[in-house]
Amino acid sequence: EVQLLESGGGSVHPGGSLRLSCAASGFTFSNYAMSWVRQAPGKGLEWVSAISGSGGTTYYADSEKGRWTISRDNNENTVYLQMTSLRAEDTAMYFCVKWSSTRPNHYILGSTLGLDDWGQGTLVTVSS
Amino acid sequence: QSVLTQPPSASGTPGQRVHISCSGSTSNIGSNPVTWYQQLPGRAPKLLMYRNNYRPSWVPDRFSGSNSGTSASLAISGLQAEDEADYYCAAWDDSLNGYVFGTGTKVTVL
Repeated sequence: EVQLLESGGGSVHPGGSLRLSCAASGFTFSNYAMSWVRQAPGKGLEWVSAISGSGGTTYYADSEKGRWTISRDNNENTVYLQMTSLRAEDTAMYFCVKWSSTRPNHYILGSTLGLDDWGQGTLVTVSS
Repeated sequence: QSVLTQPPSASGTPGQRVHISCSGSTSNIGSNPVTWYQQLPGRAPKLLMYRNNYRPSWVPDRFSGSNSGTSASLAISGLQAEDEADYYCAAWDDSLNGYVFGTGTKVTVL
């Protein structure tokens, strides 16, 4: 069974930093791309970032480019999101999500081309 | 901000059929398959429909998906109380080189 356990959320002042972690189990971690998706209170889903299975390719939403860094440790089966220059509008639940193949939108036999498995999320609150 | 547009709400009585539209562009829905996600109240989203019209094994065949040009649609037939949830479409966007979600549709069972 796939399990994704996020941690690292909390309250931070504007301009501050946080590092989110997601410990994965139940699958061969290095074979799958991973993403972070966020949801502000009462709002819709917003894709934040993705990283390929090898860690060699990263992808970011425009609003996060230059501010945040996604990375992974395939020996520890963990994906990270280093967030800097946090703003009030970054307040959200952050979900760790597993893609269906080694790169986002990359078809292999049987892949869904979507976000197959979701963690329960970790809450980030940016407030003065 | 969301690149894919959905109606904010849809509703029906038990047993009725409900449609949810998802409008995009040539760089996303027009070029890549659509995935639909269901988010029950207070829960994390779950993949509901993939590659436009395929269902994971846990999804009943009351749910169906379709795709035409730069738009997609999710249909729920035989609406049930347990279908009350938020539904999101999503697709890869080749121009943004990123994943885009729809604005979300809240389905209410009257």
